[in-house]
Amino acid sequence: KQEVTQIPAALSVPEGENLVLNCSFTDSAIYNLQWFRQDPGKGLTSLLLIQSSQREQTSGRLNASLDKSSGRSTLYIAASQPGDSATYLCAVNRYNNNDMRFGAGTRLTVKP
Amino acid sequence: GAGVSQSPSNKVTEKGKDVELRCDPISGHTALYWYRQSLGQGLEFLIYFQGNSAPDKSGLPSDRFSAERTGGSVSTLTIQRTQQEDSAVYLCASSLGAGGPRQFFGPGTRLTVL
Repeated sequence: KQEVTQIPAALSVPEGENLVLNCSFTDSAIYNLQWFRQDPGKGLTSLLLIQSSQREQTSGRLNASLDKSSGRSTLYIAASQPGDSATYLCAVNRYNNNDMRFGAGTRLTVKP
Repeated sequence: GAGVSQSPSNKVTEKGKDVELRCDPISGHTALYWYRQSLGQGLEFLIYFQGNSAPDKSGLPSDRFSAERTGGSVSTLTIQRTQQEDSAVYLCASSLGAGGPRQFFGPGTRLTVL
């Protein structure tokens, strides 16, 4: 059974700092991995999707990497802003399966 | 609308009552997914539809939970004889097809069972 773990569970940083969120998964047979953002009381917004054949994806200040063999992904946020405060979820999608396994998330607070 | 919509946004019910949660996917999306997010826990996969059929129901937590989809569009998730442990946010997502394309999520329905 695929287990997805995110560390840390919560993170508080001052504005402007670069930070890294970690995600690990136990079964390397994945189809893709996504990073989502969830704001309180709202649904999920997909930030980055990395296919299993890819090593990384970038969007603006966000960079996500994938090391499938070791079962790890990181989300790098550069020059953090208070508006980045949210919960960040990592999810892996398995081959020939259409359910995504989510981590419990990292709750990020960026202080002005 | 352009996105996935869910209704109601909030539902408070008494233990033992039945509830129906509705999801309207993005037009043209053939795959639809239901997830549950309990307080302090990650999202839990419940069921997915490809068209009107549900190839994978393995995530439904008990036989009190059922879901259907009609016309390849709207889906309803029904919880019978609700229990307090059913309290959670129920999220729906849709995607263009099955097999891993990007899923787009609705805002969720917050269910509280008293």
